[in-house]
Amino acid sequence: GENVEQHPSTLSVQEGDSAVIKCTYSDSASNYFPWYKQELGKRPQLIIDIRSNVGEKKDQRIAVTLNKTAKHFSLHITETQPEDSAVYFCAASSGNTPLVFGKGTRLSVIA
Amino acid sequence: DAGVIQSPRHEVTEMGQEVTLRCKPISGHNSLFWYRQTMMRGLELLIYFNNNVPIDDSGMPEDRFSAKMPNASFSTLKIQPSEPRDSAVYFCASSPQTGLYGYTFGSGTRLTVV
Repeated sequence: GENVEQHPSTLSVQEGDSAVIKCTYSDSASNYFPWYKQELGKRPQLIIDIRSNVGEKKDQRIAVTLNKTAKHFSLHITETQPEDSAVYFCAASSGNTPLVFGKGTRLSVIA
Repeated sequence: DAGVIQSPRHEVTEMGQEVTLRCKPISGHNSLFWYRQTMMRGLELLIYFNNNVPIDDSGMPEDRFSAKMPNASFSTLKIQPSEPRDSAVYFCASSPQTGLYGYTFGSGTRLTVV
Protein backbone atom coordinates (compact mmCIF):
# COMPACT_ATOMS: atom_id res chain seq x y z
CA GLY A 1 0.00 0.00 0.00
CA GLU A 2 0.87 3.67 -0.12
CA ASN A 3 3.44 5.10 2.28
CA VAL A 4 3.92 8.85 2.73
CA GLU A 5 7.01 10.28 4.39
CA GLN A 6 7.05 13.92 5.49
CA HIS A 7 9.98 16.16 6.46
CA PRO A 8 10.86 17.98 8.57
CA SER A 9 8.85 17.04 11.64
CA THR A 10 9.36 20.52 13.10
CA LEU A 11 10.22 23.81 11.43
CA SER A 12 10.82 27.24 12.88
CA VAL A 13 11.04 30.33 10.70
CA GLN A 14 11.15 34.06 11.27
CA GLU A 15 8.07 36.02 10.33
CA GLY A 16 8.31 37.05 6.70
CA ASP A 17 10.59 34.18 5.70
CA SER A 18 9.53 31.24 3.54
CA ALA A 19 8.77 27.72 4.75
CA VAL A 20 9.07 24.53 2.74
CA ILE A 21 7.70 21.12 3.72
CA LYS A 22 8.50 18.05 1.66
CA CYS A 23 6.75 14.71 1.21
CA THR A 24 7.56 11.54 -0.69
CA TYR A 25 5.18 8.77 -1.63
CA SER A 26 5.67 5.18 -2.68
CA ASP A 27 2.74 4.26 -4.94
CA SER A 28 3.30 5.43 -8.51
CA ALA A 29 -0.46 5.13 -9.08
CA SER A 30 -1.16 8.00 -6.66
CA ASN A 31 -2.64 10.96 -8.46
CA TYR A 32 -4.15 13.23 -5.81
CA PHE A 33 -2.09 15.16 -3.23
CA PRO A 34 -3.84 17.42 -0.72
CA TRP A 35 -2.33 19.44 2.12
CA TYR A 36 -4.05 20.04 5.44
CA LYS A 37 -3.47 22.59 8.19
CA GLN A 38 -4.35 21.74 11.77
CA GLU A 39 -4.30 24.43 14.41
CA LEU A 40 -3.97 23.46 18.05
CA GLY A 41 -7.10 21.71 19.26
CA LYS A 42 -8.85 22.06 15.90
CA ARG A 43 -9.71 19.79 12.99
CA PRO A 44 -7.43 19.30 9.96
CA GLN A 45 -8.54 21.64 7.16
CA LEU A 46 -7.75 21.38 3.48
CA ILE A 47 -5.64 24.33 2.32
CA ILE A 48 -4.52 23.31 -1.17
CA ASP A 49 -4.38 20.22 -3.36
CA ILE A 50 -2.78 19.15 -6.61
CA ARG A 51 -3.52 16.42 -9.11
CA SER A 52 -1.00 14.48 -11.12
CA ASN A 53 -1.68 16.28 -14.37
CA VAL A 54 -0.33 19.52 -12.90
CA GLY A 55 3.21 20.31 -11.79
CA GLU A 56 2.51 23.38 -9.67
CA LYS A 57 -0.42 25.19 -8.12
CA LYS A 58 -0.56 28.50 -6.26
CA ASP A 59 -3.07 30.16 -3.99
CA GLN A 60 -1.89 33.51 -2.67
CA ARG A 61 1.00 32.83 -0.30
CA ILE A 62 0.93 29.05 -0.59
CA ALA A 63 2.03 26.84 -3.46
CA VAL A 64 2.47 23.15 -4.03
CA THR A 65 4.82 21.47 -6.48
CA LEU A 66 4.72 17.88 -7.69
CA ASN A 67 7.46 15.77 -9.24
CA LYS A 68 5.87 12.50 -10.34
CA THR A 69 9.12 11.04 -11.62
CA ALA A 70 10.79 11.42 -8.24
CA LYS A 71 7.52 10.79 -6.38
CA HIS A 72 7.73 13.82 -4.18
CA PHE A 73 5.68 16.94 -3.60
CA SER A 74 6.26 20.05 -1.54
CA LEU A 75 4.35 22.85 0.18
CA HIS A 76 5.78 26.35 -0.01
CA ILE A 77 4.56 29.18 2.21
CA THR A 78 5.94 32.63 1.45
CA GLU A 79 5.92 35.74 3.67
CA THR A 80 5.03 33.65 6.69
CA GLN A 81 2.87 35.17 9.42
CA PRO A 82 2.29 34.10 13.03
CA GLU A 83 -1.14 32.74 12.08
CA ASP A 84 0.59 30.23 9.78
CA SER A 85 1.83 28.44 12.91
CA ALA A 86 0.17 25.01 12.91
CA VAL A 87 0.75 21.37 12.05
CA TYR A 88 0.71 20.68 8.31
CA PHE A 89 -0.07 17.26 6.85
CA CYS A 90 0.49 16.02 3.33
CA ALA A 91 -1.48 13.11 1.91
CA ALA A 92 -1.66 10.96 -1.21
CA SER A 93 -4.25 8.80 -2.91
CA SER A 94 -4.64 6.85 -6.12
CA GLY A 95 -8.24 7.93 -6.48
CA ASN A 96 -10.08 4.81 -5.45
CA THR A 97 -8.15 4.36 -2.22
CA PRO A 98 -8.34 6.48 0.93
CA LEU A 99 -5.89 9.26 1.62
CA VAL A 100 -2.70 8.20 3.37
CA PHE A 101 -1.32 10.99 5.54
CA GLY A 102 2.22 11.94 6.42
CA LYS A 103 3.14 12.27 10.10
CA GLY A 104 2.89 16.05 10.03
CA THR A 105 5.20 19.07 10.31
CA ARG A 106 4.86 21.46 13.23
CA LEU A 107 5.55 24.94 11.84
CA SER A 108 6.34 27.77 14.22
CA VAL A 109 6.51 31.32 12.86
CA ILE A 110 8.47 33.53 15.21
CA ALA A 111 7.43 37.16 15.30
CA ASP B 1 -24.16 23.06 5.33
CA ALA B 2 -23.10 22.55 8.96
CA GLY B 3 -20.19 20.37 7.92
CA VAL B 4 -19.33 17.02 9.47
CA ILE B 5 -20.84 16.81 12.93
CA GLN B 6 -19.35 14.64 15.64
CA SER B 7 -20.50 13.95 19.17
CA PRO B 8 -19.53 14.04 21.90
CA ARG B 9 -16.65 16.56 21.73
CA HIS B 10 -15.09 15.12 24.85
CA GLU B 11 -15.53 11.77 26.54
CA VAL B 12 -13.96 10.61 29.77
CA THR B 13 -14.69 7.05 30.74
CA GLU B 14 -13.37 4.33 32.96
CA MET B 15 -11.46 1.36 31.63
CA GLY B 16 -13.81 -1.45 30.67
CA GLN B 17 -16.73 0.79 29.80
CA GLU B 18 -18.35 0.94 26.38
CA VAL B 19 -17.80 4.09 24.36
CA THR B 20 -19.84 5.16 21.33
CA LEU B 21 -18.75 7.99 19.06
CA ARG B 22 -21.17 9.48 16.55
CA CYS B 23 -20.82 11.17 13.19
CA LYS B 24 -23.11 12.89 10.72
CA PRO B 25 -21.42 13.38 7.34
CA ILE B 26 -22.07 16.15 4.87
CA SER B 27 -25.22 15.50 2.89
CA GLY B 28 -24.40 14.07 -0.53
CA HIS B 29 -20.95 12.81 0.42
CA ASN B 30 -20.67 9.13 -0.47
CA SER B 31 -17.55 8.26 1.52
CA LEU B 32 -17.09 8.35 5.28
CA PHE B 33 -13.87 7.79 7.18
CA TRP B 34 -12.94 7.24 10.81
CA TYR B 35 -9.43 8.36 11.82
CA ARG B 36 -7.59 8.20 15.13
CA GLN B 37 -4.96 10.82 15.95
CA THR B 38 -2.20 10.44 18.52
CA MET B 39 1.14 12.17 18.93
CA MET B 40 3.04 8.95 18.33
CA ARG B 41 1.16 7.54 15.34
CA GLY B 42 -0.32 10.62 13.68
CA LEU B 43 -3.54 10.23 11.70
CA GLU B 44 -4.46 6.56 11.33
CA LEU B 45 -7.33 5.38 9.16
CA LEU B 46 -9.49 2.96 11.12
CA ILE B 47 -12.28 2.17 8.66
CA TYR B 48 -14.09 3.72 5.73
CA PHE B 49 -17.47 3.36 4.08
CA ASN B 50 -18.67 3.95 0.52
CA ASN B 51 -22.41 4.37 0.11
CA ASN B 52 -22.92 3.10 3.67
CA VAL B 53 -20.99 -0.13 3.01
CA PRO B 54 -17.78 -0.84 4.97
CA ILE B 55 -14.96 -1.17 2.46
CA ASP B 56 -11.81 -1.58 4.52
CA ASP B 57 -11.59 -2.09 8.27
CA SER B 58 -7.99 -3.30 8.32
CA GLY B 59 -7.04 -0.27 10.39
CA MET B 60 -9.29 -1.21 13.27
CA PRO B 61 -6.80 -2.11 15.98
CA GLU B 62 -8.70 -4.90 17.70
CA ASP B 63 -12.02 -6.68 17.87
CA ARG B 64 -12.92 -4.27 20.63
CA PHE B 65 -13.51 -1.70 17.90
CA SER B 66 -16.56 -1.79 15.64
CA ALA B 67 -18.21 0.70 13.29
CA LYS B 68 -21.57 0.93 11.60
CA MET B 69 -23.25 3.15 9.06
CA PRO B 70 -26.96 2.31 9.09
CA ASN B 71 -27.83 5.12 6.67
CA ALA B 72 -26.23 7.88 4.63
CA SER B 73 -26.48 10.43 7.42
CA PHE B 74 -25.17 8.59 10.46
CA SER B 75 -22.23 6.47 11.56
CA THR B 76 -20.98 5.17 14.90
CA LEU B 77 -17.64 3.95 16.17
CA LYS B 78 -17.86 1.77 19.25
CA ILE B 79 -15.15 0.60 21.62
CA GLN B 80 -16.08 -2.19 23.99
CA PRO B 81 -14.40 -2.61 26.42
CA SER B 82 -12.34 0.55 26.40
CA GLU B 83 -8.71 0.62 27.57
CA PRO B 84 -6.38 3.50 28.54
CA ARG B 85 -4.37 3.04 25.32
CA ASP B 86 -7.49 3.94 23.34
CA SER B 87 -7.15 7.51 24.57
CA ALA B 88 -6.82 9.70 21.47
CA VAL B 89 -8.72 12.14 19.30
CA TYR B 90 -11.09 10.37 16.92
CA PHE B 91 -12.01 12.19 13.74
CA CYS B 92 -14.78 11.44 11.31
CA ALA B 93 -14.41 12.78 7.77
CA SER B 94 -16.52 12.67 4.64
CA SER B 95 -15.88 13.18 0.95
CA PRO B 96 -17.80 13.05 -2.33
CA GLN B 97 -15.58 10.12 -3.33
CA THR B 98 -12.90 7.99 -1.68
CA GLY B 99 -9.70 9.54 -2.93
CA LEU B 100 -10.37 12.08 -5.65
CA TYR B 101 -11.37 14.96 -3.39
CA GLY B 102 -10.25 16.45 -0.15
CA TYR B 103 -11.91 15.27 3.01
CA THR B 104 -13.93 17.45 5.35
CA PHE B 105 -13.17 16.57 8.94
CA GLY B 106 -15.45 16.86 11.92
CA SER B 107 -14.35 18.60 15.10
CA GLY B 108 -13.27 15.30 16.60
CA THR B 109 -13.97 13.49 19.84
CA ARG B 110 -11.25 13.63 22.47
CA LEU B 111 -11.47 10.32 24.31
CA THR B 112 -9.80 9.78 27.64
CA VAL B 113 -9.95 6.33 29.22
CA VAL B 114 -8.85 6.27 32.85
